[in-house]
Amino acid sequence: EIVLTQSPGTLSLSPGERATLSCRASQSVDSSYVAWYQQKPGRAPRLLIYGASARAPDIPDRFSGSGSGTDFTLTISRLEPGDFAVYHCQQYGSSPITFGQGTRLE
Amino acid sequence: QITLKESGPTPVRPTQTLTLTCTFSGFSVSFSSVGVGWVRQPPGKALEWLALSYWSDDARYNPSLKSRLTITMDTSQNQVVLRMTNMDPVDTGTYYCVHVVSQRFQHWGQGTQITVSS
Repeated sequence: EIVLTQSPGTLSLSPGERATLSCRASQSVDSSYVAWYQQKPGRAPRLLIYGASARAPDIPDRFSGSGSGTDFTLTISRLEPGDFAVYHCQQYGSSPITFGQGTRLE
Repeated sequence: QITLKESGPTPVRPTQTLTLTCTFSGFSVSFSSVGVGWVRQPPGKALEWLALSYWSDDARYNPSLKSRLTITMDTSQNQVVLRMTNMDPVDTGTYYCVHVVSQRFQHWGQGTQITVSS
């Protein structure tokens, strides 16, 4: 099983700042199968990024993904008030599909 | 518009079998790359993938839970049913139905809260 470790656990920033979230895998992951999700309190997760760097429909270009091998990054270039949420990374190329433990952006 | 809606009983008693139903609309599962799956989230914890099903009776399970899970798809009703046996309080959490496209979780249902308690 591929274990995904997200860091930091909590990231404290202000609107307008840049956020960089990390996801490290316990073994190499095909970048075609890495995704990021945003989850707000009491809501279901929402797909932001798939294939490590492709934005899902209707996701603004402030959100970008990058990485390869075991290290992947989600960057939010200019934080808006609605961006403060929990972010999850996921690998879906190897069974079982696994998620990271989440990064809380506050 | 793609929608998925979960339904299931709560509370569930320990040792009982949980039956969850996902009713979906707005997409077809007649394509090999499109399926429906289940993910759960215990309170304050990480997401955990449970199972997914493609149209061609291709069912896949999380190995850690495989012995307890059965996923079936009824394309005539646009429903996917997940059964989980021998429920325990640690199975308490929110259970989500997901629309799967090329293995990524494209759309999510609102989730259903399942509480396991005697």
